[in-house]
Amino acid sequence: SQTIHQWPATLVQPVGSPLSLECTVEGTSNPNLYWYRQAAGRGLQLLFYSVGIGQISSEVPQNLSASRPQDRQFILSSKKLLLSDSGFYLCAWTGIGTSGNTIYFGEGSWLTVV
Amino acid sequence: GNSVTQMEGPVTLSEEAFLTINCTYTATGYPSLFWYVQYPGEGLQLLLKATKADDKGSNKGFEATYRKETTSFHLEKGSVQVSDSAVYFCALKRMDSSYKLIFGSGTRLLVRP
Repeated sequence: SQTIHQWPATLVQPVGSPLSLECTVEGTSNPNLYWYRQAAGRGLQLLFYSVGIGQISSEVPQNLSASRPQDRQFILSSKKLLLSDSGFYLCAWTGIGTSGNTIYFGEGSWLTVV
Repeated sequence: GNSVTQMEGPVTLSEEAFLTINCTYTATGYPSLFWYVQYPGEGLQLLLKATKADDKGSNKGFEATYRKETTSFHLEKGSVQVSDSAVYFCALKRMDSSYKLIFGSGTRLLVRP
């Protein structure tokens, strides 16, 4: 069966520090991968999505970047965090074709920038 | 462009009341439609989905019908419980090369005993 994991689950980082959130998917190949952010009291914002290794599409200009070094690995990064980067970050994946009708989410990562 | 619009919350109901959360979408082509639920302190869970017009998704007493003519996917439940209190997200996914997943802003439901 397929599983998705992201970590760390929670972290508190000072302004100006770097960030790395990692997401891995198991039990499938060539998934479409996504990073979303949910700010406090707000909806989900699509940040990045990837349809293959090294292929990253950015939805919103921001202080963050994403990379996909391996087929089932998706990393969200920042060189210097801002207070506004605080939020709940969710990684997700879908299959391709008709199997892409179902979306699977990771457990989420709570980021507090202080 | 593609977008999802949900009714603003919070929606406050008494236990056993009827629930409707409105969702409308704009999209090119024929997207798949989803409802997700987020319980306090947790991530998103798929509640139900529909992949083509007139499909009805259902799960845990919740239902939603894919209405192409009105571009809607309203969530309904005949009798809500306190345990249904959560945030509900409507979403669409374009089944083309973009593979974008677009979510609505979420609707918070509070069910009182």
